[in-house]
Amino acid sequence: EPEVTQTPSHQVTQMGQEVILRCVPISNHLYFYWYRQILGQKVEFLVSFYNNEISEKSEIFDDQFSVERPDGSNFTLKIRSTKLEDSAMYFCASSEWGPSYNEQFFGPGTRLTVL
Amino acid sequence: SQQGEEDPQALSIQEGENATMNCSYKTSINNLQWYRQNSGRGLVHLILIRSNEREKHSGRLRVTLDTSKKSSSLLITASRAADTASYFCATDASRGLTFGQGTILTVHP
Repeated sequence: EPEVTQTPSHQVTQMGQEVILRCVPISNHLYFYWYRQILGQKVEFLVSFYNNEISEKSEIFDDQFSVERPDGSNFTLKIRSTKLEDSAMYFCASSEWGPSYNEQFFGPGTRLTVL
Repeated sequence: SQQGEEDPQALSIQEGENATMNCSYKTSINNLQWYRQNSGRGLVHLILIRSNEREKHSGRLRVTLDTSKKSSSLLITASRAADTASYFCATDASRGLTFGQGTILTVHP
């Protein structure tokens, strides 16, 4: 069964460093998403991406964040200058069609620890 | 309260019993989805119910949706120890899915 994959599973970085989290969505899916979950808190929407551009983003997704689909398979989330409060699980998701009508399938997550 | 709030926050039952979790939300929706998350792991999609549907079944799962009350319930029948996890409802919005805080279900063997 096709699945969303994410690498790395755990990333440790120093405050102020840039990190890139990688995702491979399900191959025939057209919509891609990033969510995060701070320990003990809700899963929060960050951004959705369709047709090589951001379609929606939340207030969390400020100028420190960017997303890219550098090739036909990968979808990345970049955090330019990490802060302590960026420590969280980051989940990538994809759906075949738009978010209002389709299941979103999530990857296993990347645990980001900012020291 | 916020969109997609589940109750109870925690539920502890014996294997074989049924587990019912509820979710309330605030705004109008196109669909509501339920997810499961094992401790420290990713989210597994369980079931999606559209706003024009009232009930949906998938294996041992039964989901109901009452749009007039802005609420949904997830029933797991004949629970197993492997059902131990956190369960979240998620509502669609113009900006991605909005998740609740979740219900932590513990099924004792």
